[in-house]
Amino acid sequence: AQSVTQPDIHITVSEGASLELRCNYSYGATPYLFWYVQSPGQGLQLLLKYFSGDTLVQGIKGFEAEFKRSQSSFNLRKPSVHWSDAAEYFCAVGAPNTGNQFYFGTGTSLTVIP
Amino acid sequence: DAGVTQSPTHLIKTRGQQVTLRCSPKSGHDTVSWYQQALGQGPQFIFQYYEEEERQRGNFPDRFSGHQFPNYSSELNVNALLLGDSALYLCASSLPFTGYTFGSGTRLTVV
Repeated sequence: AQSVTQPDIHITVSEGASLELRCNYSYGATPYLFWYVQSPGQGLQLLLKYFSGDTLVQGIKGFEAEFKRSQSSFNLRKPSVHWSDAAEYFCAVGAPNTGNQFYFGTGTSLTVIP
Repeated sequence: DAGVTQSPTHLIKTRGQQVTLRCSPKSGHDTVSWYQQALGQGPQFIFQYYEEEERQRGNFPDRFSGHQFPNYSSELNVNALLLGDSALYLCASSLPFTGYTFGSGTRLTVV
């Protein structure tokens, strides 16, 4: 069965510092991988996605993620965090053989301090 | 270009009642998926509709049902509401094998 683990429930970083949010997935083949961001009381916005090809994926708002097959990971990174990045971040996996059914992790809450 | 539109934004219902939530997908998207997001949790897949049929279903009881109309819009119905059904219900539209576009959700509170 597909599953997603986000080991860090909450992360606090200083504005301007670098950020890495961890995501590990369980799936027998190469899945489709996504990162979404959710502001309080809002829906989810797609940051970036990986289907195949280059394992380093660029997204919106200066985010990037790297797919590492050997580690079953898809960690999200940003070199310099802005106060507006404070939000909840969700990693999701979609299995190609199940079409568009996605599985989400439990999320990582990001706090940015001045 | 309008994204995914959900209505209503907030709803309060009493235990045992029935509720209908509505979703209009992003223009050009033909697949609609519904997710339940409890407080502090990630979204949980309820079901997905394509060509007016339920294509996939998550681990939710039959009290949860849905419908997709010819214009691709969709409804989520929940019968015999329980306190545990209180959550943010998210609708997402997509094309095959692409990422979702999510609506802002409907916050359902069951009292």
